[in-house]
Amino acid sequence: EAQVTQNPRYLITVTGKKLTVTCSQNMNHEYMSWYRQDPGLGLRQIYYSMNVEVTDKGDVPEGYKVSRKEKRNFPLILESPSPNQTSLYFCASRWDSALPDTQYFGPGTRLTVL
Amino acid sequence: AQSVTQLDSQVPVFEEAPVELRCNYSSSVSVYLFWYVQYPNQGLQLLLKYLSGSTLVKGINGFEAEFNKSQTSFHLRKPSVHISDTAEYFCAVSESGYDYKLSFGAGTTVTVRA
Repeated sequence: EAQVTQNPRYLITVTGKKLTVTCSQNMNHEYMSWYRQDPGLGLRQIYYSMNVEVTDKGDVPEGYKVSRKEKRNFPLILESPSPNQTSLYFCASRWDSALPDTQYFGPGTRLTVL
Repeated sequence: AQSVTQLDSQVPVFEEAPVELRCNYSSSVSVYLFWYVQYPNQGLQLLLKYLSGSTLVKGINGFEAEFNKSQTSFHLRKPSVHISDTAEYFCAVSESGYDYKLSFGAGTTVTVRA
């Protein structure tokens, strides 16, 4: 089944404890992206990747890191999480980086930072 | 840079009644338009999209939307809703450019009551 998977789905952690949220897609998509969803703000892009080893900042990149060593994986890293990073996170992918088209979303990761 | 405004944050509607969700955008270049739906505790899935061609587009589950370039709008409609249409709906715009970044509106919560 074609899909975007994220792990974990739920995570409660404490301020300053490094964490990684994994994202994997099995559709051979070039483009991958991370979003955070907050009430009343919709989804905001954190980072995106046009292809392997090509990543760039989105609208709200502060406090986050990403890497794209393989085409299928795009992990999101929080080196020192803070309470304002409590949010619902979505990974998404798209077939072609150079064309506008449907993005496919993962199921989401709900993160709480205490 | 584009921005997306969803004019209604909450839309309560009775079962079998019609519904319209309003979306306006601002952009100085060519745009591509999407509506996504998020059912409770799930990720986002595509309802419909406008990339080119006919300005009236039909999507899944009986939804349709019309692209109006002069009014910079992309309103979503369904003639008769079901309880199962209860969800949050997001309008999104992709602008011509380097990465065809997707920008989202704040979302409209539709609650269908019997």
